[in-house]
Amino acid sequence: AQSVTQLDSQVPVFEEAPVELRCNYSSSVSVYLFWYVQYPNQGLQLLLKYLSGSTLVKGINGFEAEFNKSQTSFHLRKPSVHISDTAEYFCAVLPVLLTGGGNKLTFGTGTQLKVEL
Amino acid sequence: AAGVIQSPRHLIKEKRETATLKCYPIPRHDTVYWYQQGPGQDPQFLISFYEKMQSDKGSIPDRFSAQQFSDYHSELNMSSLELGDSALYFCASSSGGSGNTIYFGEGSWLTVV
Repeated sequence: AQSVTQLDSQVPVFEEAPVELRCNYSSSVSVYLFWYVQYPNQGLQLLLKYLSGSTLVKGINGFEAEFNKSQTSFHLRKPSVHISDTAEYFCAVLPVLLTGGGNKLTFGTGTQLKVEL
Repeated sequence: AAGVIQSPRHLIKEKRETATLKCYPIPRHDTVYWYQQGPGQDPQFLISFYEKMQSDKGSIPDRFSAQQFSDYHSELNMSSLELGDSALYFCASSSGGSGNTIYFGEGSWLTVV
């Protein structure tokens, strides 16, 4: 079984400041890692993903995340946030399995990023 | 690019009524997932289908059922609705196999009154 911990339920930050949203996971098998963003009253949009290769992945809207296997973390960062980044951010893991089907994403509890002027 | 299509987007039902949500996955995606997101909560996995067969089951109430049809679209049927069923229901799809990205629809808002 997998679990995802997002330590910060809310992160207030001023516009143009940097931000880091933390995500730690636990799993008995290897996992793929994802960050999704949910704007108010909207669906889940994929921000970025780590499947393999370079541990630093870049996503849409200037976000990036770094996979740290030893610390089982996948923190999301942006060097300069904008008002439009205000949203709920979910970290999620997907177990690496050999057979097709049967996989499911496990989500963290989400972090509300609030960007203020 | 085509995305996951869900209908209806909004639905209001009374207690004890029945509701059906539909999901049309991205073309050539063979796996469909259903998630439930309560107010202020993270999405909870309900059920998934791979090649029209149920592949995994999560915290789906017995009052709920789902299936995937020959054209790969899926329907989530919810009966004897309760106030606590009010939530955003997401459908997601992927092309099967491990490591393929799961794409979500915009969700269907169900309000039970």
